Amino acid sequence: ETGVTQSPTHLIKTRGQQVTLRCSSQSGHNTVSWYQQALGQGPQFIFQYYREEENGRGNFPPRFSGLQFPNYSSELNVNALELDDSALYLCASTSTGGNEQFFGPGTRLTVL
Amino acid sequence: GIQVEQSPPDLILQEGANSTLRCNFSDSVNNLQWFHQNPWGQLINLFYIPSGTKQNGRLSATTVATERYSLLYISSSQTTDSGVYFCACTDKLIFGTGTRLQVFP
Repeated sequence: ETGVTQSPTHLIKTRGQQVTLRCSSQSGHNTVSWYQQALGQGPQFIFQYYREEENGRGNFPPRFSGLQFPNYSSELNVNALELDDSALYLCASTSTGGNEQFFGPGTRLTVL
Repeated sequence: GIQVEQSPPDLILQEGANSTLRCNFSDSVNNLQWFHQNPWGQLINLFYIPSGTKQNGRLSATTVATERYSLLYISSSQTTDSGVYFCACTDKLIFGTGTRLQVFP
């Protein structure tokens, strides 16, 4: 069984640019959640997708947006990047009817 | 919203020692997970434990939902146990601030 995968592993962007991060959920999982983890802090919930619909959102501005596709993979898009967006972005998937979340290895984004 | 607090923030142990990490949460929860974050950032699932007690090798966890706390026990610690331990609650995981564990030989 393949676990949660994320791409790319690392990314460097400049302020004002746009970025797309990708996540493939674990087989049989239909819910995907995204988290931002700044250096030295715990992960913060960005949003969750269930069956291609947003199912909850944390305290992040609208320039953070997402998509979930019919195969349950997901994208996180961030527009107008700011220096404070530099962080580790984590994706997690949850099985149908379950609560336990399983995380991917993350994408480390650096904004210069 | 729900608040999640972990203690201690930092823990330094010699190999072979035992330790207890605590997680307090401010409201009732239907989901509680413990994670170990390795130096590369990967969050590794340790326990899914909204209530009760579970054991997995040298690790065990207990959640007392009525008193809003969970404990993670690490016995006979090894250098590979080093890293940050997080607890997280609810279906949109709210993470605690973590406990940074360093185990020295």
